[in-house]
Amino acid sequence: DAGVIQSPRHEVTEMGQEVTLRCKPISGHDYLFWYRQTMMRGLELLIYFNNNVPIDDSGMPEDRFSAKMPNASFSTLKIQPSEPRDSAVYFCASSSTEKNTEAFFGQGTRLTVV
Amino acid sequence: QKEVEQNSGPLSVPEGAIASLNCTYSDRGSQSFFWYRQYSGKSPELIMFIYSNGDKEDGRFTAQLNKASQYVSLLIRDSQPSDSATYLCAVNEGTNAGKSTFGDGTTLTVKP
Repeated sequence: DAGVIQSPRHEVTEMGQEVTLRCKPISGHDYLFWYRQTMMRGLELLIYFNNNVPIDDSGMPEDRFSAKMPNASFSTLKIQPSEPRDSAVYFCASSSTEKNTEAFFGQGTRLTVV
Repeated sequence: QKEVEQNSGPLSVPEGAIASLNCTYSDRGSQSFFWYRQYSGKSPELIMFIYSNGDKEDGRFTAQLNKASQYVSLLIRDSQPSDSATYLCAVNEGTNAGKSTFGDGTTLTVKP
């Protein structure tokens, strides 16, 4: 398996624009997690899905953030409108119920909002 | 107070020495504990997890857990320059590794 795949790897956008980050989990994994990493706040869990259903979105910072998982192989994290303080590295990770002791992280998307 | 605190670092050790990384957590109900390694510009990768009090060894790595003291540590024996990275402690109220609260990390440098 190619691992968790995220796109794009880098995104530079202007304040106020909509940003969509994409994630393809490892095939067969039933959990998907979105994280954000900044120098100030470290690595934070934003939202996670189980079997494509959002289970806990308490980490989503504001209503400007939304996430969807329309099927088992694809998820999006959308920010609308984007702000400079949203600049961070966004990671997607996946795991399986059968072996939940390890979450596999994608390579991340580095978002810069100017 | 943060839920998961790690020694602030940076930590520098000579090659071949033992590196000791420490982590404390505030939630007494925490059940599982993970150590991740993150190279600069890369994603976190799991090194070890531990559930029970005591020591757990895997090669050059030993995780130690003391739930009464709410303390978990990672020892790296015979440190190598390739161990230079940021080490993240993650704490979980269940066992699913993804649903974790992470510390800010400790940056380790191993000098040849």
